[in-house]
Amino acid sequence: SAVISQKPSRDICQRGTSLTIQCQVDSQVTMMFWYRQQPGQSLTLIATANQGSEATYESGFVIDKFPISRPNLTFSTLTVSNMSPEDSSIYLCSVRPGGGEDTQYFGPGTRLTVL
Amino acid sequence: GENVEQHPSTLSVQEGDSAVIKCTYSDSASNYFPWYKQELGKRPQLIIDIRSNVGEKKDQRIAVTLNKTAKHFSLHITETQPEDSAVYFCALYTGGFKTIFGAGTRLFVKA
Repeated sequence: SAVISQKPSRDICQRGTSLTIQCQVDSQVTMMFWYRQQPGQSLTLIATANQGSEATYESGFVIDKFPISRPNLTFSTLTVSNMSPEDSSIYLCSVRPGGGEDTQYFGPGTRLTVL
Repeated sequence: GENVEQHPSTLSVQEGDSAVIKCTYSDSASNYFPWYKQELGKRPQLIIDIRSNVGEKKDQRIAVTLNKTAKHFSLHITETQPEDSAVYFCALYTGGFKTIFGAGTRLFVKA
């Protein structure tokens, strides 16, 4: 299993500013992902965070807007840059431990409100 | 790209009745099909999963069935209880290590 923590749990930000969300896992994991979930909606994959290299972004998401770091196998950050009210959402870190375990675990999420 | 369709979007049942949620997919290479439950304000959590070499799996009141030929899989909840009220997401793993999620089913269990 994997225990995931995220910081901050919530934030209210002004448009035009940036917020960095941190994701910490209690064990080394193979795959780390960042998702966005709008209220009442499903989970949308933003990108796969790759250790030691650039993240792999999904269609509609770009590095300039959502820069991601993954310096090691237990930690990743997602930055939401130059925010607008449309970025208001819940951002979730997710991991797949690997090593034969298929289960994907989710962090508690960061609730972002942009004014 | 790969897509998974989930039905119904909303399901309301009486306590004690059964609930069934169905998902269909298109990529025959998919071989792992998890189901997640998300309670209000909480993170999604895995409740049951099934691999493509198995047709059915059961865990107490929940079961999942898979029909690879027809490319659909279903979640069955029996003897529903109010605490089963939540949003349920089906998902599947693609060959590229991504997880594709269905749109979700909001289940209401009326006491």
